Amino acid sequence: QKEVEQDPGPLSVPEGAIVSLNCTYSNSAFQYFMWYRQYSRKGPELLMYTYSSGNKEDGRFTAQVDKSSKYISLFIRDSQPSDSATYLCAMKSITADNFNKFYFGSGTKLNVKP
Amino acid sequence: EAQVTQNPRYLITVTGKKLTVTCSQNMNHEYMSWYRQDPGLGLRQIYYSMNVEVTDKGDVPEGYKVSRKEKRNFPLILESPSPNQTSLYFCASRPDRGRWYEQYFGPGTRLTVT
Repeated sequence: QKEVEQDPGPLSVPEGAIVSLNCTYSNSAFQYFMWYRQYSRKGPELLMYTYSSGNKEDGRFTAQVDKSSKYISLFIRDSQPSDSATYLCAMKSITADNFNKFYFGSGTKLNVKP
Repeated sequence: EAQVTQNPRYLITVTGKKLTVTCSQNMNHEYMSWYRQDPGLGLRQIYYSMNVEVTDKGDVPEGYKVSRKEKRNFPLILESPSPNQTSLYFCASRPDRGRWYEQYFGPGTRLTVT
């Protein structure tokens, strides 16, 4: 069983829709959470990060963490064609021996249709 | 411009022929990592380095070597490549421990081993 599970999609939505992307994890030592966006033929780029349960907003993006359920989400409001990309969740452990390791989900491919 | 560069971007080689993929960053970052990205498996960390002459294994280090003789460079060495190392490789760097969430990725190197 992978430590981070993410639905690969693809997810296709019309422009303006609200998008929900999700990841689950099994390791309770994961306490730092990130979302990366990866455009085709590019490296991932950091979109959002958080370490607290609850919601964190940044413009049209909201990151949500539920540590009790080991479940994280990324919501995109008013989705745009330029949001079409693969979205990767990532996590870090708080344990000293694993602090420098990042654990990624497999990515969800999103297509926003004009 | 702050960036992580990788060379070559594309490489086709044969089994057993030693190769090196170079990675360089101009942000004076302490931490550097190598990842491989495979469909359905996402990004997996191969090796990481906390500073010059300090490296450690990630989750999939078998068949790879790294060195960190200068802060800006972190080459990935495949001494005897095999077809199961065909993948998309990313180098990444990040600043010191306090900014755990920041990670900057290079553009990727697509390696095919026949």
